[in-house]
Amino acid sequence: AQSVTQLGSHVSVSEGALVLLRCNYSSSVPPYLFWYVQYPNQGLQLLLKYTSAATLVKGINGFEAEFKKSETSFHLTKPSAHMSDAAEYFCAVSESSGNTPLVFGKGTRLSVIA
Amino acid sequence: DAGVTQSPTHLIKTRGQQVTLRCSPKSGHDTVSWYQQALGQGPQFIFQYYEEEERQRGNFPDRFSGHQFPNYSSELNVNALLLGDSALYLCASSPDSSSEQYFGPGTRLTVT
Repeated sequence: AQSVTQLGSHVSVSEGALVLLRCNYSSSVPPYLFWYVQYPNQGLQLLLKYTSAATLVKGINGFEAEFKKSETSFHLTKPSAHMSDAAEYFCAVSESSGNTPLVFGKGTRLSVIA
Repeated sequence: DAGVTQSPTHLIKTRGQQVTLRCSPKSGHDTVSWYQQALGQGPQFIFQYYEEEERQRGNFPDRFSGHQFPNYSSELNVNALLLGDSALYLCASSPDSSSEQYFGPGTRLTVT
């Protein structure tokens, strides 16, 4: 069985500060890992994904994440927060066999303070 | 190219009623998955349809059923609605061999 733990249900940063959202996963098979963003009253938008290629993955809007197998982690970072980054962020895992269901964490709400 | 579309946007139903939600996948996508997102939670997988058949199912009761049409669009049906069914229902589509799922804007269901 697979699971995702997102540490911190709410993270608050100042505009221009580093964003770090934590995600740890559990999987009995090689995983695919994803970060999605959800703005209020909207669906999910894919930020980036890890599918067993490079361990450092770059996504949209300046976000990146590093897959660390030894730590079973896939933390999301952005060097400088922007007001428009305020949203809910979800980490998800699936089996690396194509089109398997996504298992999501509970999400982390990011607030950006001016 | 239109992305994943869902209808209706919002819906209010009474306990015990039945509801049907609709989803049109992104062009070229033949696989549709449905997720339930309760308030303050991450989405939970309900089921996935491919070639008009339910291919995988999450831990949801039989009150939740679905259908996929030859044009790959899909419906989610929920019978005997409970208050706990109030949630955002998300549809996601993907090409069969791909791990990447594209999500629609969701349908907000409120059960009173």
